Amino acid sequence: DAGVIQSPRHEVTEMGQEVTLRCKPISGHDYLFWYRQTMMRGLELLIYFNNNVPIDDSGMPEDRFSAKMPNASFSTLKIQPSEPRDSAVYFCASSSGPSAAQYFGAGTRLSVL
Amino acid sequence: AQSVTQPDIHITVSEGASLELRCNYSYGATPYLFWYVQSPGQGLQLLLKYFSGDTLVQGIKGFEAEFKRSQSSFNLRKPSVHWSDAAEYFCAVGAPGSTLGRLYFGRGTQLTVWP
Repeated sequence: DAGVIQSPRHEVTEMGQEVTLRCKPISGHDYLFWYRQTMMRGLELLIYFNNNVPIDDSGMPEDRFSAKMPNASFSTLKIQPSEPRDSAVYFCASSSGPSAAQYFGAGTRLSVL
Repeated sequence: AQSVTQPDIHITVSEGASLELRCNYSYGATPYLFWYVQSPGQGLQLLLKYFSGDTLVQGIKGFEAEFKRSQSSFNLRKPSVHWSDAAEYFCAVGAPGSTLGRLYFGRGTQLTVWP
């Protein structure tokens, strides 16, 4: 299996621009998670889906952030408008069941100038 | 809710020395437990997991972890560290039987290996 695939690996954008991060989970996994990692706050869970339905979005920092999962093989995390404090590494992970092992993608390093 | 504590932010060991990374959890019953490793610029990689049964769990890269219910701990060990083990290590806990599906991660322990 190819594992969890994220794109792009690196994104540099200017403040105010829209940013879209993409994720393809492992085939057959019905849970998908979006995390953000920073030096200050560590690894934070932003939102997760089960069978394409958002279960908990309490970690989404504000309305500028939105996530969708239109089908079982694709999810997006969108930031609009982006701000410098959004600079971080964003990870997507998937798992085969509740509380099962999660498998992470390589991450997207976002820099907002 | 579950929580995880990794008391050591940073540990330094010499190559060839033994290693133990500490992890304590808070949960009312026996949880699912995981250790992950993150190398610079990489995602988190699963090292090992504990669901039930034998409390000593073997993982990849020569790592093992022991679940101790009485101490609410799940410490990671390796008898002889290699320079390539330098990375950040995360402990995580999940709730068996929960439909919520999320894991709770510790803040991580950064491992430095001296040659």
